[in-house]
Amino acid sequence: NAGVTQTPKFQVLKTGQSMTLQCAQDMNHNSMYWYRQDPGMGLRLIYYSASEGTTDKGEVPNGYNVSRLNKREFSLRLESAAPSQTSVYFCASRDYAGPGSNQPQHFGDGTRLSIL
Amino acid sequence: GESVGLHLPTLSVQEGDNSIINCAYSNSASDYFIWYKQESGKGPQFIIDIRSNMDKRQGQRVTVLLNKTVKHLSLQIAATQPGDSAVYFCAGPSKAAGNKLTFGGGTRVLVKP
Repeated sequence: NAGVTQTPKFQVLKTGQSMTLQCAQDMNHNSMYWYRQDPGMGLRLIYYSASEGTTDKGEVPNGYNVSRLNKREFSLRLESAAPSQTSVYFCASRDYAGPGSNQPQHFGDGTRLSIL
Repeated sequence: GESVGLHLPTLSVQEGDNSIINCAYSNSASDYFIWYKQESGKGPQFIIDIRSNMDKRQGQRVTVLLNKTVKHLSLQIAATQPGDSAVYFCAGPSKAAGNKLTFGGGTRVLVKP
């Protein structure tokens, strides 16, 4: 059981290049999330998908787009990468059952992205 | 605004001693809180959670205490081991963010042999 798998693990881009980060989960979870983690800061939510077919903005969505391809896969796209998007990106999933549901999120091991 | 934050950025503890990691929150409407552990190069890993109608919850070598009066929660690790060296995050749902989790900045625990 792989859990949440993210690809690639590392990537270096030049400013202006585009990139899609891939995420897949095999736990049949309905909700999926994309976070970024910067030094000295906790995880900040970029976008999320409460269920297949829906996506919504999180705390820091500017410069990103997402696609919930199917129940398993949720991708994050940078259309024109900027140095400020240098970060570690984490994908997570959980079996969300509505407000008050405390099913924990399960995280992948991250994609380390550097933009020069 | 709503926030979940941690008092200390780094905690150094002797192997075998108990560790206490603290967290303050501002959203008194949170239904639950979660503690995550993040090892170097890995994603956050769920440790334990506590619902807001509880004061204490125990797991394997870990105990979480919730003090709703002062909006404070703590994670206690008994007999800290080298494998406990990691960054620990508290998180709670934010009403302002549609009940999505808000994470604190993290406390790094360093276990000295």
